[in-house]
Amino acid sequence: DVKVTQSSRYLVKRTGEKVFLECVQDMDHENMFWYRQDPGLGLRLIYFSYDVKMKEKGDIPEGYSVSREKKERFSLILESASTNQTSMYLCASSRGGVGRRDIQYFGAGTRLSVL
Amino acid sequence: GENVEQHPSTLSVQEGDSAVIKCTYSDSASNYFPWYKQELGKRPQLIIDIRSNVGEKKDQRIAVTLNKTAKHFSLHITETQPEDSAVYFCAARGGGGGADGLTFGKGTHLIIQP
Repeated sequence: DVKVTQSSRYLVKRTGEKVFLECVQDMDHENMFWYRQDPGLGLRLIYFSYDVKMKEKGDIPEGYSVSREKKERFSLILESASTNQTSMYLCASSRGGVGRRDIQYFGAGTRLSVL
Repeated sequence: GENVEQHPSTLSVQEGDSAVIKCTYSDSASNYFPWYKQELGKRPQLIIDIRSNVGEKKDQRIAVTLNKTAKHFSLHITETQPEDSAVYFCAARGGGGGADGLTFGKGTHLIIQP
């Protein structure tokens, strides 16, 4: 079974703090993704990575950055948290390529509240 | 970029009846269309997917159809059961390659009435 683990289920931070959300996958997947999920808006892609040290912007990258120093780990960084970044954050990974290799597997999510 | 519209936002059906959820997409180069089910408090999980070279795919009570010309795809659930109650998301992936992220619809809350 593919396992995608997010380090925290719940986080409470203050406006202006630097926030790190961590994600680890144990299946040697090439691709990793960060989404945020808000009621009525579905899931929206923030950033993705198709290789170590590589990153690509998704649909809503503003206010976020990412880091992928190791293949299994993909971090989402909020440089200066703001209240409008209060949300559920979901990490996903896929093996990469075509066919069954592009199925994305999701972590359990981190619910971030910025006060 | 890709834009995915999903309807309806809420769907209530009697147990045993069928449910249909529809999605449209904008990018004619999109080539992969998964459907995810998310139960309350849990992570999204893939239930079925279809690729652009196939018109229909079925897995037990679940089927997905794809009309590339009209750029829409639909999820069909037959003989609905209480455990089908969840939020369902359609998604599309652009034709840029395997690493592209998914563009999701806003979700459909499916309620199965006993």
